[in-house]
Amino acid sequence: DAGVIQSPRHEVTEMGQEVTLRCKPISGHDYLFWYRQTMMRGLELLIYFNNNVPIDDSGMPEDRFSAKMPNASFSTLKIQPSEPRDSAVYFCASSRDSISNQPQHFGDGTRLSIL
Amino acid sequence: GENVEQHPSTLSVQEGDSAVIKCTYSDSASNYFPWYKQELGKGPQLIIDIRSNVGEKKDQRIAVTLNKTAKHFSLHITETQPEDSAVYFCAAGANNLFFGTGTRLTVIP
Repeated sequence: DAGVIQSPRHEVTEMGQEVTLRCKPISGHDYLFWYRQTMMRGLELLIYFNNNVPIDDSGMPEDRFSAKMPNASFSTLKIQPSEPRDSAVYFCASSRDSISNQPQHFGDGTRLSIL
Repeated sequence: GENVEQHPSTLSVQEGDSAVIKCTYSDSASNYFPWYKQELGKGPQLIIDIRSNVGEKKDQRIAVTLNKTAKHFSLHITETQPEDSAVYFCAAGANNLFFGTGTRLTVIP
């Protein structure tokens, strides 16, 4: 089975530009999670969806960040406008059920650099 | 919210020795405790997990123990091999997962 697929793997862009990160979860998984990983703050949950509906977005840093899941096989995380402090590795993960019942499977991430 | 602390931050062992990584958590509602291994340029990969109704779980060279009263859980790797070298993360939660800060394990051949 294909795992969680993220694109692009690397993104370098200038401050102020819009950035869109993409994720394809594992087929049949009803939960999708977006995480950010930095040296300073480790792995942080930004938002998660259940059946394409956002459930908890309390980890989203500010209004410049938005996430959508238009269907069961695709999600985007958008940053507009981007700032240098947004530089991090962004991971998408999916699970068949809630974390109490099924484990999360991670993609290989998007390494984002904002100049 | 949940607060997960992980120790040590770095760990070096000789090949064949055992490695132990410890985590504590704060929220008594947490009932799921996975461990992830992250290699360079890759996403975290689940290696073992334990739920709150179990005190210990073993999978070949890897074992996890959970003490719910003390709110701590540990990862044990026996007979370490160079390919075990990676960053290991613990996590805890009930609806969301909260991650520890990671342990960089180096196995010296």
